[in-house]
Amino acid sequence: SQQGEEDPQALSIQEGENATMNCSYKTSINNLQWYRQNSGRGLVHLILIRSNEREKHSGRLRVTLDTSKKSSSLLITASRAADTASYFCATDPLRGGTSYGKLTFGQGTILTVHP
Amino acid sequence: DTAVSQTPKYLVTQMGNDKSIKCEQNLGHDTMYWYKQDSKKFLKIMFSYNNKELIINETVPNRFSPKSPDKAHLNLHINSLELGDSAVYFCASSQTPGQGLEQYFGPGTRLTVT
Repeated sequence: SQQGEEDPQALSIQEGENATMNCSYKTSINNLQWYRQNSGRGLVHLILIRSNEREKHSGRLRVTLDTSKKSSSLLITASRAADTASYFCATDPLRGGTSYGKLTFGQGTILTVHP
Repeated sequence: DTAVSQTPKYLVTQMGNDKSIKCEQNLGHDTMYWYKQDSKKFLKIMFSYNNKELIINETVPNRFSPKSPDKAHLNLHINSLELGDSAVYFCASSQTPGQGLEQYFGPGTRLTVT
């Protein structure tokens, strides 16, 4: 069954604006990860946030995690046309306190940044 | 100096044929994965190998058989291809996942079954 669900499914903004994408999941997790996929390419890891963390930053990216609500958000500040891509959240479920790398992906948010 | 590479990039074949996709990583990782991405962009894990040992084997038809000759390679063989096998297949690798680590993906193999 699908673990993560992203919202919105598609987001269209102007360069310089901020983009916020949300992800909800269903089971306990070890960590949650965000990936970017450019059209016709493989996925690129952006950021990983562990279950005991609430917020993490990396450059123009800010990720929050609320384990009580089983949700996460990815904020991209000062967006650029080059940020145009699909963004996926992936959950690494907790099994006996161990991660097996069995990431479960949502269907992604398609972000379009207009120059 | 590609980190995770897959061959071929595109594969067009007819129903009933048998085909293989190869994956290699030069990151020194000991865990490799196969994912299938369908036409709706939904990405689902199929298999994972750690040091040549199968550790994840999702509900995948027996027609799909992964093979890991060494920890830098994970190949996917598909027998008796069906129309529903058309998808993009991604290989990925990571260090031992016990600590929960990011995965590095290959560029994908677009399989079209006609």
